[in-house]
Amino acid sequence: DQQVKQNSPSLSVQEGRISILNCDYTNSMFDYFLWYKKYPAEGPTFLISISSIKDKNEDGRFTVFLNKSAKHLSLHIVPSQPGDSAVYFCAASLKTGTASKLTFGTGTRLQVTL
Amino acid sequence: KAGVTQTPRYLIKTRGQQVTLSCSPISGHRSVSWYQQTPGQGLQFLFEYFSETQRNKGNFPGRFSGRQFSNSRSEMNVSTLELGDSALYLCASRRWGRDEKLFFGSGTQLSVL
Repeated sequence: DQQVKQNSPSLSVQEGRISILNCDYTNSMFDYFLWYKKYPAEGPTFLISISSIKDKNEDGRFTVFLNKSAKHLSLHIVPSQPGDSAVYFCAASLKTGTASKLTFGTGTRLQVTL
Repeated sequence: KAGVTQTPRYLIKTRGQQVTLSCSPISGHRSVSWYQQTPGQGLQFLFEYFSETQRNKGNFPGRFSGRQFSNSRSEMNVSTLELGDSALYLCASRRWGRDEKLFFGSGTQLSVL
């Protein structure tokens, strides 16, 4: 049962344009959401996060939007740069006391072309 | 500040063997989590340790086990290896508490033949 889904395995965007990566989740108890970026042969690196009490969080070129009623979040990258080419994972957190685990989606491979 | 260090980087084993992977967290991080990454499955949570105690566990069989030492370093053990255990095993550390941000190591690529 995949509780966090990234339905687009890949996305190609031209340099300078907007990249929109989508993520859907099924568990309404998730209260914190994160995006990670992963380059080949490296571990994922944290990009941006959003709490369930917010609907938008911005950090430079990266903005995450959360639509709780639709159980959907998206990551916008504007403008896209070739260095943004990587696999992007969305993740959702479910707290059990102070312990936590992240449930990850299967990832979307973003390619930014010149 | 050194990042999360995982050893070895690559490992080849045969079915039925056991394997131990090692992880050193970022200095000051007392929580260590382990994840398995396979193609098409994303990252799947194995377990999280804090203060040498397992605090959370994913849906993996008992062949997968771990431990944490007093210096926060952690090891993961997989016994009776199966072909399906071939994966990238990622370790992540964080400060204990509400800070959800995990810092990942580069992983150990395990191939089971």
